[in-house]
Amino acid sequence: SQQGEEDPQALSIQEGENATMNCSYKTSINNLQWYRQNSGRGLVHLILIRSNEREKHSGRLRVTLDTSKKSSSLLITASRAADTASYFCATGSGGGADGLTFGKGTHLIIQP
Amino acid sequence: NAGVMQNPRHLVRRRGQEARLRCSPVKGHSHVYWYRQLPEEGLKFMVYLQKENIIDESGMPKERFSAEFPKEGPSILRIQQVVRGDSAAYFCASSPMSPGTSGEQFFGPGTRLTVL
Repeated sequence: SQQGEEDPQALSIQEGENATMNCSYKTSINNLQWYRQNSGRGLVHLILIRSNEREKHSGRLRVTLDTSKKSSSLLITASRAADTASYFCATGSGGGADGLTFGKGTHLIIQP
Repeated sequence: NAGVMQNPRHLVRRRGQEARLRCSPVKGHSHVYWYRQLPEEGLKFMVYLQKENIIDESGMPKERFSAEFPKEGPSILRIQQVVRGDSAAYFCASSPMSPGTSGEQFFGPGTRLTVL
């Protein structure tokens, strides 16, 4: 599997429910980030968690990182129709100058 | 406070022609990254540049692709003699400092290249 691989590939839930997406990676990382991409648009940075952090919150977003399992999860609470998008995790190895490595993403659909 | 700007947003080329994609980073950002996204795929890193320097081009195809970030003006991704397989969305991102210190990258809206 690729570095930064998300699952599930697609997720459909009702508005107001919580959405959880997972990401696994293979190599050591400096940080892990989550991005959102609306159809046909650029990526929007959501949250960054460093390798020495275990959990981070930002508004309705909660990210966890387990470096022993090389995995991360993104939780969106109280989902809204506007949360419909593709969500990507991206890893950075840091140490001066690597591009980010993205997974294939989870396509989230919030049904009104 | 403009974000990353890319132009053109859509580009159509015939096989064998050249494609030039432009990226203006966020004002004050000196690090630029180019990524390619195929349909239903994640982004693939191509190249990382600082002003007048290519820092990492490990994701760039060995032939036909080149990138520059001159002292003045936008960063350019150039694809010579395009083939149908080059059809994709090309995204540019910028950051204010090296990934080792921050990591967050600011993405442009992308250029969608279609090769006929």
